[in-house]
Amino acid sequence: QSALTQPRSVSGSPGQSVTISCTGTSSDVGAYDYVSWYQQPPGKAPKLMIYDVTKRPSGVPDRFSGSKSGNTASLTISGLQAEDEGHYYCCSYAGTYTFVVFGGGTKLTVL
Amino acid sequence: QITLKESGPTLVKPTQTLTLTCTFSGFSLTTSGVGVGWIRQPPGKALEWLALIYWDDDKRYSPSLKSRLTIAKDTSKNQVVLTLTNMDPVDTATYYCAHRLIYCAGSNCYDYWGQGTLVTVSS
Repeated sequence: QSALTQPRSVSGSPGQSVTISCTGTSSDVGAYDYVSWYQQPPGKAPKLMIYDVTKRPSGVPDRFSGSKSGNTASLTISGLQAEDEGHYYCCSYAGTYTFVVFGGGTKLTVL
Repeated sequence: QITLKESGPTLVKPTQTLTLTCTFSGFSLTTSGVGVGWIRQPPGKALEWLALIYWDDDKRYSPSLKSRLTIAKDTSKNQVVLTLTNMDPVDTATYYCAHRLIYCAGSNCYDYWGQGTLVTVSS
């Protein structure tokens, strides 16, 4: 069982927006503004999409945005495109003992 | 251009020790702020963070695996080595090494990943 809770699946039509939630605790997501999000296409390595809750690495479209409220972080993808399909994982810093925890992953389907 | 590649056995027996090597290029593990981490993914399951080593040889481990894990660097060879002792079938997974994004405030930001290597534990 993963430390962070994500919905198993979400879906949306091209052009729509979807939001993926990531619920942790006051020891990880709620304690630090250090949440990252990864996109993983089938059979490929993960790709960093968001870090430090809201920041986008160079090359990631601004259709991807991150936010956080309390113990829950969210990834919003606007203007859905077929290429956005895949699994998405949230990840949080969790202090000097646990250090890093991942979510269970969410499968995004573009209808 | 940053690249990383994992290498090691594809099959290990239960109780054996797994040794994986991450060979990288495009950065140096002597540069302040640089880190290389290991993350694994059992077939069809979620990512699991394992360990991270920094440029200054500071090391961090997953608490659930800490007693079995060792991470080390060889800066002359541009390599990071991960060892996992007492392998069990539940350790069957794709193992990834990844470069930590330098200007990330946390230690959970990996901007370049290797292709991964599938390790199967079976007798």
